[in-house]
Amino acid sequence: EAQVTQNPRYLITVTGKKLTVTCSQNMNHEYMSWYRQDPGLGLRQIYYSMNVEVTDKGDVPEGYKVSRKEKRNFPLILESPSPNQTSLYFCASSRGRSNYGYTFGSGTRLTVV
Amino acid sequence: GQQLNQSPQSMFIQEGEDVSMNCTSSSIFNTWLWYKQDPGEGPVLLIALYKAGELTSNGRLTAQFGITRKDSFLNISASIPSDVGIYFCAGQLSGNQFYFGTGTSLTVIP
Repeated sequence: EAQVTQNPRYLITVTGKKLTVTCSQNMNHEYMSWYRQDPGLGLRQIYYSMNVEVTDKGDVPEGYKVSRKEKRNFPLILESPSPNQTSLYFCASSRGRSNYGYTFGSGTRLTVV
Repeated sequence: GQQLNQSPQSMFIQEGEDVSMNCTSSSIFNTWLWYKQDPGEGPVLLIALYKAGELTSNGRLTAQFGITRKDSFLNISASIPSDVGIYFCAGQLSGNQFYFGTGTSLTVIP
């Protein structure tokens, strides 16, 4: 089944403790992206990647890092999480330089206390 | 980032009623997409629009790409309980940069 898989689905952590949210897609998509969803703000892009070793900032990149060492994986790294990063995170992928839109993962709900 | 204004923010309707929602922007977009998000899940693509004036249907859903390329509309006819969820519009400026609206929360009362 074609899908984007994120782990974990739920995570509670403390301020300052580094964490990684993994994302993997099995569709051989070139484009991958991370979004965060907050009430009243919709989906805001954090980082995106056009291909292996090619990443760029989205609208809200502060406090996040990403890497794209392999085509299928696009982990999101929070080096020193803070409470304002409490949010629902989505990884997404799409094929090529297309306008077909993204296929989304099921989300990771992160709480930073 | 780009601002997409989506309205209404929420809707409470009776089963069987038709639904209309829209999305507007100050920017001209090349593509408009409509997504639905079920509780606890990621958004799923419903309809994609690629040309100004284009009208596309997917079952009971119909979406239109506005003539000015700054807006889009989604209609749902004869709503049913499983239509419940949050509907997002998304606009593409270039490449794979998509900007999302703030969502319309739909509740269908049986």
